[in-house]
Amino acid sequence: DADVTQTPRNRITKTGKRIMLECSQTKGHDRMYWYRQDPGLGLRLIYYSFDVKDINKGEISDGYSVSRQAQAKFSLSLESAIPNQTALYFCATSEGRLAGSYNEQFFGPGTRLTVL
Amino acid sequence: KQEVTQIPAALSVPEGENLVLNCSFTDSAIYNLQWFRQDPGKGLTSLLLIQSSQREQTSGRLNASLDKSSGRSTLYIAASQPGDSATYLCAVHNAGNMLTFGGGTRLMVKP
Repeated sequence: DADVTQTPRNRITKTGKRIMLECSQTKGHDRMYWYRQDPGLGLRLIYYSFDVKDINKGEISDGYSVSRQAQAKFSLSLESAIPNQTALYFCATSEGRLAGSYNEQFFGPGTRLTVL
Repeated sequence: KQEVTQIPAALSVPEGENLVLNCSFTDSAIYNLQWFRQDPGKGLTSLLLIQSSQREQTSGRLNASLDKSSGRSTLYIAASQPGDSATYLCAVHNAGNMLTFGGGTRLMVKP
């Protein structure tokens, strides 16, 4: 079984709809991240969480919100989806609760989101 | 702001060749550098993580080097195989363990 799972894997929705993408991990890692990947722009960080009570904005957080329901679960929400949020979304995890620790990040399989 | 560049953007080689993928970054104050592989429509697979205090890291036919002072890393693939065909991404770990990614090198190894 995969260590980092994402649901759904594919989603097509309409402008203005609320969408939630979910991420679960069995690696026991404290840190979790959400990225989006766009052709020509690479991967960019949306939000990250160092533990259940710690949520931080990344480079492109506008239009998104997150919830860290448990150590193993981190969900990303689009409150009112718009077409330029069409992208491939990745969840990632890493060890290291302490500030200053920099550890390998492990990625989920991705969710392909299309907003019409 | 950290910027990461990968050259070339695409590369096609015959099977069996040794090849080098390049990654450069603008801010040398990085913590680690990580190389990933991405297959079409798939997630990212971590290949190698080089700590900032290391010069290189090896895994099988892969060898990654890091020169922080010059802002460069290379990924060397020995005896390339068709199964190595994928996009290779490098990413630097900045403060707060946030990753900045390069745009990737799309590699095609022809049988």
